[in-house]
Amino acid sequence: GEDVEQSLFLSVREGDSSVINCTYTDSSSTYLYWYKQEPGAGLQLLTYIFSNMDMKQDQRLTVLLNKKDKHLSLRIADTQTGDSAIYFCAASSTGFQKLVFGTGTRLLVSP
Amino acid sequence: DADVTQTPRNRITKTGKRIMLECSQTKGHDRMYWYRQDPGLGLRLIYYSFDVKDINKGEISDGYSVSRQAQAKFSLSLESAIPNQTALYFCATSGSSQGARTFFGQGTRLTVV
Repeated sequence: GEDVEQSLFLSVREGDSSVINCTYTDSSSTYLYWYKQEPGAGLQLLTYIFSNMDMKQDQRLTVLLNKKDKHLSLRIADTQTGDSAIYFCAASSTGFQKLVFGTGTRLLVSP
Repeated sequence: DADVTQTPRNRITKTGKRIMLECSQTKGHDRMYWYRQDPGLGLRLIYYSFDVKDINKGEISDGYSVSRQAQAKFSLSLESAIPNQTALYFCATSGSSQGARTFFGQGTRLTVV
C-alpha cells in the first residue's frame, strides 16, 4: 500500500522561507494534498496538486511535484509566527478519497 | 455551523468500557471516514463508508466498529476500550468525484485510563 513520509520537525525564523518535504511510494497517487493542523484544531486543507502538474502557486504557498522521484514539497514564503503548526502531506489514488497521510511536520517559526 | 460535527470533543473513559463517537455532516456527501491521529504517526484510516450500505475496514480497524445510520451520520464504537486507543479521532466526509475535497471535523480527544 501507499506509504507517505515526512520529516518530523522544521524550525525557521520569521520572514524566512520554509520548505517542507514529503515522499510517497504509490505511483498511482493522483492527488496530493497539504493540510495544516493548529493546536486543538482539525485539519485545514491548504492546497493540493494533481499528478499531471509540476508546480502550483497560491499566494505565499508553492507546491512542487517531482513525479519521477515521488517527491512533493511545500514552500511557504515570508513565514510568519502564525504559520507555526503541523503540516501533513496526504495522497490519494484516482477515484478514491481515502487519504494516506504522512507523519506530519511540526513547523516552529521563531521571531 | 461546522460542515462536519463530532461529539463529544473530549472524553475520558475507563478500560473495558464501551464508547461511541458520533459524527454528522451537512455537506450532503456520500463518503464518510474515521481516522485516528497519534503523535509521530500522522492520521491512519480506521473505517470508511462510500454510501449508507457500504462499510469498509481501513488500515487499523481492529478493536473498532462503525455504524452508518444515515447519509449524514457515521459513528465509531470502541466495544471494550483499551489504553492504547487513547488518541485524537477525526471524522471526515468527501464527495465521490475524482479529487473531491475532504472535509474534517474538529476531532475528538479520547483518553482511556
